[in-house]
Amino acid sequence: QKEVEQDPGPLSVPEGAIVSLNCTYSNSAFQYFMWYRQYSRKGPELLMYTYSSGNKEDGRFTAQVDKSSKYISLFIRDSQPSDSATYLCAIRWPGNNRLAFGKGNQVVVIP
Amino acid sequence: NAGVMQNPRHLVRRRGQEARLRCSPVKGHSHVYWYRQLPEEGLKFMVYLQKENIIDESGMPKERFSAEFPKEGPSILRIQQVVRGDSAAYFCASSPPAGQPNYGYTFGSGTRLTVV
Repeated sequence: QKEVEQDPGPLSVPEGAIVSLNCTYSNSAFQYFMWYRQYSRKGPELLMYTYSSGNKEDGRFTAQVDKSSKYISLFIRDSQPSDSATYLCAIRWPGNNRLAFGKGNQVVVIP
Repeated sequence: NAGVMQNPRHLVRRRGQEARLRCSPVKGHSHVYWYRQLPEEGLKFMVYLQKENIIDESGMPKERFSAEFPKEGPSILRIQQVVRGDSAAYFCASSPPAGQPNYGYTFGSGTRLTVV
């Protein structure tokens, strides 16, 4: 079983819609969860970081962690064309700085 | 405050040649990571280094690949005798020393290696 699973299907939404992205992970020992955004031909940039169950908001972005289900989510409200990018979930191994990434979702926001 | 600097941005090598990829971490960061990204496969961990030490190389192919992070200078990922399958984007990232707040990595813009 992979450490973190992210259905890599592309997602197209109209401007203003809510984007919902999800990942599952395998090891209940994982404690730190991240979402990265990657624009085409660029390096990933950290978008959200959380280490506990529950919701964390930052502007239009909400990261959600459900440790009982080993499920993490990212919601983008009022999506903008500038949100068009690939979004990758990541988890950090306990006691180790290594990150494992999901395959990423390519999101296209249509004006 | 410069971010992670990688060079070159693009590298073309013929089969059998050597590729050397360089990474200068964020100033003050002492942990460096190398990842490889192939289309449809996401980011794959290769190696985690601190100054002069390899901490975790569980993602490195056993042959032809090596990495170092010397006391002075950038981290180097070296690929000897490149093959077509080595063509990919290679990303370097860095994070602060242990004991400092660590909210994930800072990535560079990557080196795109093409083997012809």
